[in-house]
Amino acid sequence: GAGVSQSPRYKVAKRGQDVALRCDPISGHVSLFWYQQALGQGPEFLTYFQNEAQLDKSGLPSDRFFAERPEGSVSTLKIQRTQQEDSAVYLCASSSSRGTQYFGPGTRLTVL
Amino acid sequence: GNSVTQMEGPVTLSEEAFLTINCTYTATGYPSLFWYVQYPGEGLQLLLKATKADDKGSNKGFEATYRKETTSFHLEKGSVQVSDSAVYFCAPRNQAGTALIFGKGTTLSVSS
Repeated sequence: GAGVSQSPRYKVAKRGQDVALRCDPISGHVSLFWYQQALGQGPEFLTYFQNEAQLDKSGLPSDRFFAERPEGSVSTLKIQRTQQEDSAVYLCASSSSRGTQYFGPGTRLTVL
Repeated sequence: GNSVTQMEGPVTLSEEAFLTINCTYTATGYPSLFWYVQYPGEGLQLLLKATKADDKGSNKGFEATYRKETTSFHLEKGSVQVSDSAVYFCAPRNQAGTALIFGKGTTLSVSS
């Protein structure tokens, strides 16, 4: 079956621009996670949804970061007023409740 | 909260050599433990997992045993191949049992 998909795969933004990153989870997966992976580092947790409810947003680095999953399927991670330190690969993962997480290919964000 | 320490790389081996990548964790309770692999140009893939003490996860010739006495989950393979060249991440679940906490990753390079 189809895996987790993310779009766009690459995004270049000028400092100060807003960006929106999309994640399509595996069909039927209730849990959805966003992670941020800086160059040469392991992924770091950003936020977690169970269906449409955002149950944990403790990893979001600032109030410029916002995530939503309004219908319990597709999720969008929005970054307002991007800064250079936001440059990273943003990974989305989905799972059945407490099951194994399956990752998408990621969106590489470069902020100039 | 839970945390993980992973052997730093890069690890450089000849084909058919024995591989060990060390991983230790600190945790409240006994979280599920995972090894993920990231091949060049590809996304994160689950390699193996263990959900309780003394469980052994295995896949593609790789093995790791959940050792609660030493809080370790070392990755081993008896005979590596060039195609095993990748970055390997150890990851326990967080204290809430939801998100993953990734190590910094260990780069493995296997030459023929």
